[in-house]
Amino acid sequence: RKEVEQDPGPFNVPEGATVAFNCTYSNSASQSFFWYRQDCRKEPKLLMSVYSSGNEDGRFTAQLNRASQYISLLIRDSKLSDSATYLCVAYPGGSTLGRLYFGRGTQLTVWP
Amino acid sequence: GAVVSQHPSWVICKSGTSVKIECRSLDFQATTMFWYRQFPKQSLMLMATSNEGSKATYEQGVEKDKFLINHASLTLSTLTVTSAHPEDSSFYICSARLAGGPKPGEQYFGPGTRLTVT
Repeated sequence: RKEVEQDPGPFNVPEGATVAFNCTYSNSASQSFFWYRQDCRKEPKLLMSVYSSGNEDGRFTAQLNRASQYISLLIRDSKLSDSATYLCVAYPGGSTLGRLYFGRGTQLTVWP
Repeated sequence: GAVVSQHPSWVICKSGTSVKIECRSLDFQATTMFWYRQFPKQSLMLMATSNEGSKATYEQGVEKDKFLINHASLTLSTLTVTSAHPEDSSFYICSARLAGGPKPGEQYFGPGTRLTVT
């Protein structure tokens, strides 16, 4: 079983829609979680960090459910510029030398 | 703050040659840097973890003699792809971890290097 699993999509939504991505992780001891966005042929860019139950930043809300071991990302009022691949990332900490575990990414396309 | 640069941003080389990619943390010290590879439509694959002043830790299946990593200072790590072949063509991305930072696990990514081997 992979450390982090997420639905690859693609998700195709109209502008203004609300879209949610879910992600599950296998290591119950994971300390923190991140959502990165990656545009085509570019590096991942940090979108949100999640250290406790959740985080909100404008139109973006991330929620963490440790009991069920899943993290979600909600995007409200989608913009064309939100089109990208969203990567769910877990950080186990401990003896893992600081490495991150990436999901395969969920592709989002927002159409006008 | 927390900017990571990579050089070159793209490179085309002939099969059999070696290519060196540099990763620098510009405004912070990074005791640990990570090297990833990403093929089209796939997620990032960790190749190795590079710690300043010590040997890199390679992921299973990554040839350490082919992908040479040197982390000589707290702000610079290099990846050398030796005797490159067309199958090594990929997007190579480094990231740096802020030493003692307040946000556990947070890493900062370089802009990536696109390698094409002909």
